[in-house]
Amino acid sequence: SQTIHQWPATLVQPVGSPLSLECTVEGTSNPNLYWYRQAAGRGLQLLFYSVGIGQISSEVPQNLSASRPQDRQFILSSKKLLLSDSGFYLCAWTGVPGPLHFGNGTRLTVT
Amino acid sequence: RKEVEQDPGPFNVPEGATVAFNCTYSNSASQSFFWYRQDCRKEPKLLMSVYSSGNEDGRFTAQLNRASQYISLLIRDSKLSDSATYLCVVNDYGGSQGNLIFGKGTKLSVKP
Repeated sequence: SQTIHQWPATLVQPVGSPLSLECTVEGTSNPNLYWYRQAAGRGLQLLFYSVGIGQISSEVPQNLSASRPQDRQFILSSKKLLLSDSGFYLCAWTGVPGPLHFGNGTRLTVT
Repeated sequence: RKEVEQDPGPFNVPEGATVAFNCTYSNSASQSFFWYRQDCRKEPKLLMSVYSSGNEDGRFTAQLNRASQYISLLIRDSKLSDSATYLCVVNDYGGSQGNLIFGKGTKLSVKP
């Protein structure tokens, strides 16, 4: 069966520090991969998605970036965090077509 | 602009009540529809897919109305454990490839 792993679960980082969140999927090949963010009390915002290795589409302009160095690995990064980057970050995968399956999420607090 | 709209609620209902949520979508080309459940501070989890003919899973029934471009979720005999936020999700065909558009969710609170 397919599983998705996301880490860390919680993170507290100072403003201006770098960020790296990692997500891996097991049990499937060539999944579509996604990074979402959910601010406190808000809906899900799609940040990036990828349909293959090295293929990244950005949905919103910001100081975040994503990379997909391997088929089942998706990384979210920032060189310098802002206070507004705080939120609940969710990695997800889907076959095409199909529903999204989410990782457990990373709760990021930028102080 | 392609959107998915939901009544944010909250819906406050007693145990045993029947409650229904609606969700409207703007992209008539959409082909895939889902309901997710999200507990507080947790990731969304798939509750059920929504099929053209309607589908039922225990106390939960999902329906699709293509002509009016809405989907619905009916929960019968509500339990305390049904308290959560329910997210409507629609595939945005014709937009970003593989992009699923989320509604902002409807909050349900089931009281004893």
